[in-house]
Amino acid sequence: SQKIEQNSEALNIQEGKTATLTCNYTNYSPAYLQWYRQDPGRGPVFLLLIRENEKEKRKERLKVTFDTTLKQSLFHITASQPADSATYLCALAGSYNTDKLIFGTGTRLQVFP
Amino acid sequence: EAGVTQFPSHSVIEKGQTVTLRCDPISGHDNLYWYRRVMGKEIKFLLHFVKESKQDESGMPNNRFLAERTGGTYSTLKVQPAELEDSGVYFCASSQVPRVVNTEAFFGQGTRLTVV
Repeated sequence: SQKIEQNSEALNIQEGKTATLTCNYTNYSPAYLQWYRQDPGRGPVFLLLIRENEKEKRKERLKVTFDTTLKQSLFHITASQPADSATYLCALAGSYNTDKLIFGTGTRLQVFP
Repeated sequence: EAGVTQFPSHSVIEKGQTVTLRCDPISGHDNLYWYRRVMGKEIKFLLHFVKESKQDESGMPNNRFLAERTGGTYSTLKVQPAELEDSGVYFCASSQVPRVVNTEAFFGQGTRLTVV
């Protein structure tokens, strides 16, 4: 069956370091992959989108990679700040003819001073 | 510009009762989506409207759930009768262009539904 895995354990890092979050999927061939941020009591907020034919995408301190051979996406936050503390969700698009997003369970990131 | 708004933010109802959730998408967004997160699980797709038409309702759990979007503006999601397993956070999202999978979706803050 289709499965999306994100680190269920929280990731704790020190301010200024680079945070790397992982999204692995099986039995799936997504056309697009998105990353969202979610704060407690709030809805997900879109961060980045990467297409299957793209290897890497950057936005300010954020970088996403997409390896369709490994079936993995990595999400990096450089020079992390306490304000980056949140849960980060990856979401896959099924194919070109569907508008449905498939979410992972998310990884909680805690950046401490 | 107002974002996606959902009402109520919290609802506690007894098993067997009816609850109606409302979502106001961003003005001008034809695409409206409902998602749900039950405790400990991932956010799951329920259905997708394009204007007032249901484009995809493959994620609706059963016929106790009824979604409407009359006039192509706001949407309601009614659960009747509610069961304990319906508890969770219901999210609404909207997008201006079709194919949300290749553009950003704007999510509301969610409605936390608790069925006791």
